[in-house]
Amino acid sequence: EPEVTQTPSHQVTQMGQEVILRCVPISNHLYFYWYRQILGQKVEFLVSFYNNEISEKSEIFDDQFSVERPDGSNFTLKIRSTKLEDSAMYFCASSRDRGSWETQYFGPGTRLLVL
Amino acid sequence: AQSVTQLDSHVSVSEGTPVLLRCNYSSSYSPSLFWYVQHPNKGLQLLLKYTSAATLVKGINGFEAEFKKSETSFHLTKPSAHMSDAAEYFCVVRGTVSGGGADGLTFGKGTHLIIQP
Repeated sequence: EPEVTQTPSHQVTQMGQEVILRCVPISNHLYFYWYRQILGQKVEFLVSFYNNEISEKSEIFDDQFSVERPDGSNFTLKIRSTKLEDSAMYFCASSRDRGSWETQYFGPGTRLLVL
Repeated sequence: AQSVTQLDSHVSVSEGTPVLLRCNYSSSYSPSLFWYVQHPNKGLQLLLKYTSAATLVKGINGFEAEFKKSETSFHLTKPSAHMSDAAEYFCVVRGTVSGGGADGLTFGKGTHLIIQP
């Protein structure tokens, strides 16, 4: 069964450094998402992406964040200058379509630790 | 604005006994509701979803959930727990707390299901 994959599984970085988290969505899916989960807190929506542009973004997704689909398979989340509070598990997801009941398929996550 | 409340942070049952994980939702329109499960070091996997076709929804691994509009609930049940069911379970509604969009999912805090041998 096709799966969403994410790399790396763990990343440790210094405050102020840029990080890029990578995701390979399911191949025939058209909508892509990033979520994060700070330790002990809820999973939170960051951004959705369709047709090479941001479809929606939450209040969390400020100018420090950007997303890109650099080629036909990868979908990336960049954090420009990491802060301590960016430490979290980041989940990528994809879906075939945008309908209300469309399933979003999640990857295993990247655990980011900012020191 | 959309929100979900999972009423129990931890639920412990014995293997072979029924499971009940409780979820209440708040939605400004007819909700799309999901249950996801997360096993340790794995991604979030869809268990089932409410699509308005039927109020009783059957999912994978013997789980089911009933949508009750009058009670704004979407509780997850399973008749007989198995050791492999031990995991974190998330009740999820489509749409965000801010109400600004419909793409994002809003997650509950999760219920940790413990299965006693």
